[in-house]
Formats: sequence, C-alpha cells, structure tokens
Amino acid sequence: AQTVTQSQPEMSVQEAETVTLSCTYDTSESDYYLFWYKQPPSRQMILVIRQEAYKQQNATENRFSVNFQKAAKSFSLKISDSQLGDAAMYFCAYLGAGNMLTFGGGTRLMVKP
Amino acid sequence: DTGVSQNPRHKITKRGQNVTFRCDPISEHNRLYWYRQTLGQGPEFLTYFQNEAQLEKSRLLSDRFSAERPKGSFSTLEIQRTEQGDSAMYLCASSLSAWAGATNEKLFFGSGTQLSVL
Repeated sequence: AQTVTQSQPEMSVQEAETVTLSCTYDTSESDYYLFWYKQPPSRQMILVIRQEAYKQQNATENRFSVNFQKAAKSFSLKISDSQLGDAAMYFCAYLGAGNMLTFGGGTRLMVKP
Repeated sequence: DTGVSQNPRHKITKRGQNVTFRCDPISEHNRLYWYRQTLGQGPEFLTYFQNEAQLEKSRLLSDRFSAERPKGSFSTLEIQRTEQGDSAMYLCASSLSAWAGATNEKLFFGSGTQLSVL
C-alpha cells in the first residue's frame, strides 16, 4: 500500500518570504500523480498543484512550484512571495492505479505579517 | 454550477442513531468519491462511484457504513448505529472520467459534513 508522509506538522513564514513544505511517499508503482492540496478554515480542499510521475520537469503554478525527486520519492512544495491568504493546512497526496487518493497528515502553514 | 454541494453542513447525533449525508456533485461529473477526515489528519478514502456503479467499497470502515448513488447523480452516505469514533468530517468529491478504469486526477471537493456523535 502507498503511504504519504509529511514530517512538518507546522511551518511559519514571514509575508513575502519563501517557504518549502516537505513530502515523501512510498510506492511500487511507476506511473502515478502527486498533488498538493490546500485546506483553509472553510475545510474545502483546493488543488494547488499536481505532478505526473512520468514528467521530469517540475510543475509550476504562479507562486507555487514543486521539487519532484522520483528516485528519492520526494515531492516538496515551494511557495514564493508568501501572502496572508496562503495560511492554511497543506496536504500532499498520491494517486495511483487504484483511483484512491492517499493523503499525508498535513502541514499547518502560518504566515506572519 | 456552484460546485460540489454537501448537506447537512453539520450533524449532531446521539450514539446508536443512524445518520445520512447527501452529496450533489458537479452536474456533468460521472465519478463521485467519499472521504473521511478526522481532526488533525488527512482525508481517508472510503468509496467511489462511476455513474451509479460502486467500483470500490472495501475501504468502508465497517458494515455500518454504506453508500448509494442510485441514478448516477447525487449520492448518500449512511452510518448506522453511530459510535463516538465516527465523529469526523465526511468529504465528497467529484470528477469527470472518460472511462471506468481511467485514473482521474482532477477532483473537486465539497465543504464536507461535520458529524459529532455524543
């Protein structure tokens, strides 16, 4: 079974600075997707960014980018120019052949003004 | 189109009672998922449907949990004889999938139903 681990329960960043959230996963599959979801206090899960495992190029969405290291099974999220609205829970997630998203335990990001 | 809708938003019940939650997916989405999220944890997969067919239900937590999607549109999740350990947020998500076996990665989540069992 696949597992997803987020080793940072909480992270803090100063507004306008850059922060990196860590994620590692375990799988025996070669084709899969990886995601970062944001969950604000409203509790709705919002897709931030996704990465296909067969693509070597790291995904980028505006201020959000990932560092995907397939051999190391690592998938970190970098948030540049942090904004107050970025404060939320962030979940790393894995999707393989079974169509079941497997989530990590989450990282709470706090943004200081 | 207002996205994935879940009702009720909150549910408080006494131990031993049955509860039912409803999820209305985005209208053209043929795939629907249920997840459970306990406090401080990531969501945990429960089951999913392709149209009205329930393709995976082995992850339902016990035989007290059941889900239906009778007409391939809205879905209900029922918990019978609730226990305090069932207290959690129940999330629904939907997506558009080209075929039953396709890995579909673009899920849209609802805001969830928060269940409290007293």
